[in-house]
Amino acid sequence: NAGVTQTPKFQVLKTGQSMTLQCAQDMNHNSMYWYRQDPGMGLRLIYYSASEGTTDKGEVPNGYNVSRLNKREFSLRLESAAPSQTSVYFCASSGRQGNEKLFFGSGTQLSVL
Amino acid sequence: TQLLEQSPQFLSIQEGENLTVYCNSSSVFSSLQWYRQEPGEGPVLLVTVVTGGEVKKLKRLTFQFGDARKDSSLHITAAQPGDTGLYLCAGATGYALNFGKGTSLLVTP
Repeated sequence: NAGVTQTPKFQVLKTGQSMTLQCAQDMNHNSMYWYRQDPGMGLRLIYYSASEGTTDKGEVPNGYNVSRLNKREFSLRLESAAPSQTSVYFCASSGRQGNEKLFFGSGTQLSVL
Repeated sequence: TQLLEQSPQFLSIQEGENLTVYCNSSSVFSSLQWYRQEPGEGPVLLVTVVTGGEVKKLKRLTFQFGDARKDSSLHITAAQPGDTGLYLCAGATGYALNFGKGTSLLVTP
């Protein structure tokens, strides 16, 4: 049972480049989330999807877009990367929205030069 | 907006010592979760507390939820090097979990 799988594990971009972070879960969970983790800032919610077909902004959505492709997959896109987006990105899923236990992927370390 | 404040931010102790980590807020939460994160990995849930005043034990870890459901603490007895990691508390805001900044714990032999 793989749980939550994120790709890639590491990525280096130049300012202005675009990329998509992929996330898939095999637990039949309804809700999926994207967080970023920065030193001294903790985990901050970027976007979430309460169920297939819906997406909503979290605390820090600017500069990002998301797609809930199907129940399993939730991708995060940076259209024009900026150095401020250098961070570790985590995808997570839960059975339902709200206070359910979160299952996290192992993260994507992104550097924007 | 950071609703949850964790203290201390860093903690370095020797094996066998006891420690307490605090998670405080001005907001009331329906439940509060504690996660542990190891380097290069995502956070993993340790426990969920739901009822005000609730105490849960997980081996040498004791978790307490405040009576008013605004704060929580994690106490580790006789810490071991395997307890090293980042401890995060998280409260439900209705649509997602809101995390504290974490307490980084280092336990040396």
